[in-house]
Amino acid sequence: GAGVSQSPSNKVTEKGKDVELRCDPISGHTALYWYRQSLGQGLEFLIYFQGNSAPDKSGLPSDRFSAERTGGSVSTLTIQRTQQEDSAVYLCASSPGTAGVVQYFGPGTRLTVT
Amino acid sequence: DQQVKQNSPSLSVQEGRISILNCDYTNSMFDYFLWYKKYPAEGPTFLISISSIKDKNEDGRFTVFLNKSAKHLSLHIVPSQPGDSAVYFCAGRGNSGGSNYKLTFGKGTLLTVNP
Repeated sequence: GAGVSQSPSNKVTEKGKDVELRCDPISGHTALYWYRQSLGQGLEFLIYFQGNSAPDKSGLPSDRFSAERTGGSVSTLTIQRTQQEDSAVYLCASSPGTAGVVQYFGPGTRLTVT
Repeated sequence: DQQVKQNSPSLSVQEGRISILNCDYTNSMFDYFLWYKKYPAEGPTFLISISSIKDKNEDGRFTVFLNKSAKHLSLHIVPSQPGDSAVYFCAGRGNSGGSNYKLTFGKGTLLTVNP
């Protein structure tokens, strides 16, 4: 079956602009995670959705970051008023549920803020 | 506060030999540890995991060892193949439910297997 897909694969934006990143999880997966990887760093947790529960936003670095998940499937990560330090690869992962150990990652969106 | 550390940024081995990638952690609440492999411009791909109640898990050429007293785990690849060349990430999973199921990653080790 299809894996996790993300769009766009690359995004270049000017400082101060808003961007939206999209994630389509594996069909049937109820848990969805956003991570980001800055240059030379490991993956950093951003936000987590599980079913209809309120998302855990504890990893979001500032209030310029927000995310939503519509219909328990597709998720959008929005960054407002982008800054150069937001440049990173944004990765989405999904899993069958919180009991599932393995998270399956998409290919990521490389965001460059100029 | 880096809860998962991979102290070797890179490792180079000869094809056919053993590759040993190391990982240290500080959070004793992790219930699982996972290794992911990442090729350039791709997302991380799951490789192998180990429960915190085990000390070894083997899957084909890949074996993960866990030493809880030392808070150390290692991934052994034998024999190493050129296609194994990638960045390897170690990750620990929280066990308190909800978002504690998030993964905490190390910075990765670039493995190069030379033909």
